[in-house]
Amino acid sequence: QKEVEQNSGPLSVPEGAIASLNCTYSDRGSQSFFWYRQYSGKSPELIMFIYSNGDKEDGRFTAQLNKASQYVSLLIRDSQPSDSATYLCAVTGGSYIPTFGRGTSLIVHP
Amino acid sequence: DAGVTQSPTHLIKTRGQHVTLRCSPISGHKSVSWYQQVLGQGPQFIFQYYEKEERGRGNFPDRFSARQFPNYSSELNVNALLLGDSALYLCASSSGRVPSYEQYFGPGTRLTVT
Repeated sequence: QKEVEQNSGPLSVPEGAIASLNCTYSDRGSQSFFWYRQYSGKSPELIMFIYSNGDKEDGRFTAQLNKASQYVSLLIRDSQPSDSATYLCAVTGGSYIPTFGRGTSLIVHP
Repeated sequence: DAGVTQSPTHLIKTRGQHVTLRCSPISGHKSVSWYQQVLGQGPQFIFQYYEKEERGRGNFPDRFSARQFPNYSSELNVNALLLGDSALYLCASSSGRVPSYEQYFGPGTRLTVT
């Protein structure tokens, strides 16, 4: 059973701080890694994807992938109250079927 | 450009009934995937269709079926509804042939089974 693990949180950070969200996965053959943001009552919104080891930056977001350690993380710089949401990690492996984690709830307080 | 659209937005059904959910992908996208999301969980993969062919199937019973039309829109059908089928049903659109490509979700259909 392929698993994707996330701390459910909530992770609480002050406005302007860096929020660090982590995700571990069990399938060593995993190839594609995605971060989605989901506001309460809404559908997931794709914010980052990464395929290769290392860092990928897009605006205030940085995705970090370490395949040897089987983890992927998302850093949000200069966190804003509007970033308060659940962040879902999704991983696909050789079967190409995405497996989602349960999500981490992030609260950014003013 | 319009994003992924889904209909209806909300639906209430009784146990044992049948339901059909509809999805239109982003223009130019040929792949549609269906997911079920229950409260407090991440989305669970149900099906993926590409060019009208099933490309992936998740661990769901045969009561769940889907199809894709020539215009790339898709339907998800669920027969003999159970209380446990109550969930948010999400459609995701992708340009890729397999579900590992970046996917963009529609607003979802909230299904309540009573």
